[in-house]
Amino acid sequence: DGGITQSPKYLFRKEGQNVTLSCEQNLNHDAMYWYRQDPGQGLRLIYYSQIVNDFQKGDIAEGYSVSREKKESFPLTVTSAQKNPTAFYLCASSGQPLSGANVLTFGAGSRLTVL
Amino acid sequence: GENVEQHPSTLSVQEGDSAVIKCTYSDSASNYFPWYKQELGKGPQLIIDIRSNVGEKKDQRIAVTLNKTAKHFSLHITETQPEDSAVYFCAASMKAGGSYIPTFGRGTSLIVHP
Repeated sequence: DGGITQSPKYLFRKEGQNVTLSCEQNLNHDAMYWYRQDPGQGLRLIYYSQIVNDFQKGDIAEGYSVSREKKESFPLTVTSAQKNPTAFYLCASSGQPLSGANVLTFGAGSRLTVL
Repeated sequence: GENVEQHPSTLSVQEGDSAVIKCTYSDSASNYFPWYKQELGKGPQLIIDIRSNVGEKKDQRIAVTLNKTAKHFSLHITETQPEDSAVYFCAASMKAGGSYIPTFGRGTSLIVHP
């Protein structure tokens, strides 16, 4: 089955540690995205990538880093510089980022809790 | 950038009633308006969408309306069922940096009581 796989589903880390969330897709989509979801805040864009080896900052990129070395993979690192990292993180991909009707396919999410 | 406001934040209805969720957007350049449904513990999934050249679209029990002049669009769910209980997000897409990136509303938690 084609889809997006995020891992781990749950992650606990101590304050000050960096952590990397994995996102893999087998949909052959060009574009990939990372969103952060907090209660009552909706989905806020962290980073997105339209093509391999290229990515752009979203609205809340501070304290996060990404890489896009392969089309299928778009890992997100939550660094110690992120002041409030506890959140639900969603990865998404789309096949037509240059189209007006840009439909996103989401993964199941990763819940990060910083102790 | 685009700003999307979504209301209400919580909506509680009885099974069989209708539910309406409303969104407004700020940038007239936005031309695509999807709605996503997020069930507990899962990622959001597209349920219906509408382009700016269409005023209304229907798919079985769900429909979306768009008023470009007022920059307002709404999701209508008729004959609600318990399995409609979820968080619903509206979004507006406009071109930024060469691609169309959706801006999401804050979400509406719909609770359908049996």
